Order: sequence, then C-alpha cells, then structure tokens
Amino acid sequence: QSVLTQPPSASGTPGQRVTISCSGSSSNIGSNTVHWYQHLPGTAPKVLIYSNNVRPSGVPDRFSGSKSGTSASLAISGLQSEDEADYYCASWDDSLNGHWVFGGGTKLTVL
Amino acid sequence: QVQLQESGPGLIKTSATLSLTCTVSGGSISSYFWNWIRQPAGKGLEWIGRFHTSGSTNYNPSLKSRVTMSVDTSKNQFSLKLTSVTAADTAVYYCARDGTYSSSFAYWGQGTLVTVSS
Repeated sequence: QSVLTQPPSASGTPGQRVTISCSGSSSNIGSNTVHWYQHLPGTAPKVLIYSNNVRPSGVPDRFSGSKSGTSASLAISGLQSEDEADYYCASWDDSLNGHWVFGGGTKLTVL
Repeated sequence: QVQLQESGPGLIKTSATLSLTCTVSGGSISSYFWNWIRQPAGKGLEWIGRFHTSGSTNYNPSLKSRVTMSVDTSKNQFSLKLTSVTAADTAVYYCARDGTYSSSFAYWGQGTLVTVSS
C-alpha cells in the first residue's frame, strides 16, 4: 500500500490528452512539492516534472504538472506511442523524521 | 555529466547482509543527497534512504532498523547495507542523486538486480 495514491492504469489513443492523478496528505503533498518520473522497462526512471510543474531541459512541453492541496496531476497532451510507460509521483513526507514517498505507479497504455 | 553505477553481488542468501556500492563519475560526491531506491519485480518504486556528506541521513521507516549507508569520498563511492534479507528484498536496486536546483532524483544509476534465495 503506497502512501501516495495513483490509478494503476490509464490509457489513450495517439493525439489524445490523458491525466494521471496522485493523492496524498497534509504531511507530504500538502506541505511539499511533487515530482513525476517516467519509467520505461529495463531503464532507469527519468524525472519528467519537478517541483510540481517544472519540466527539465529536454522534456517536451506535452507534459505538464499541477498541484492543489493534497493532490497533484500529470497531464500528457498529444499522446504518442513512445509515452507508453509507468509513471510515478513522489513527494517528501515530513512525518517520522522525514522520508520520500512514491505513488504506486500508473501504467500508461497508448491504444 | 554526472553518472552513477551500482555494483554488488546479484545473488545472496536469506538472512545475509546485502551490500551495494554506487560509484559516481563526472562530479564530486561531496554535497547533494545520495539515495537508494528499489523496485521489486512487478511492483512500484520504494525509497530506501538517503544521506548527505554532511552526515545527515534519512531512512524509510519500514526499513530503518536494517539499513546503513556510508560514503567513501576518496573513491567517490557511497554504499548501502541491508541486513537480515528475505525474499521480499529481491529487487532492482538503484542509486540516485538529487538535482542541482531541485530535490527530485535527477540522476540515476542503471540499476542492479539483487536476488535473495535460500
């Protein structure tokens, strides 16, 4: 059971817009920023969005993030086949001396 | 460009101590937070812990009693020890560093599979 809650799966057709939600609590998302990672099988995860809504250099502007209260969302517009991957949200949790927590991950399928 | 590389035994016995090393190239290990993260097969990412060369450490509360992290600045390496392992500790283990301008895990090793078997 992950501290941050994500839907286990999401899907869309090429060109569509999909969103992935991430729900937490006051000790994590409610107090700290959210980061999103893309994980392709057999590779290392890659940061897609950091500090709620900032894209690292090289990440297409099709990817965007937002946060409100104790929840966050990742939006992918103009869906492409290469976007098929696992997506994880993460946030620092202030409880128990502080620790990072991840969402359980969302498997995105491009139909 | 900062690069991280995990190394260690791929197979260890139940109840033994898992020991992994992360070698950092392209930058100094001084400063920044250095993390260990794992992913059991078919499951999500789990953060194990982190340390800063200033001595600050934080661990996953569920693993804290079994985890030790250390650094060898002369070799630009940091290490993970996880004691009393069971099959539940079988996973791909990643080392990761936070970003220059953010707390996100900006740099990752390629990961190393550790299998625990009796």
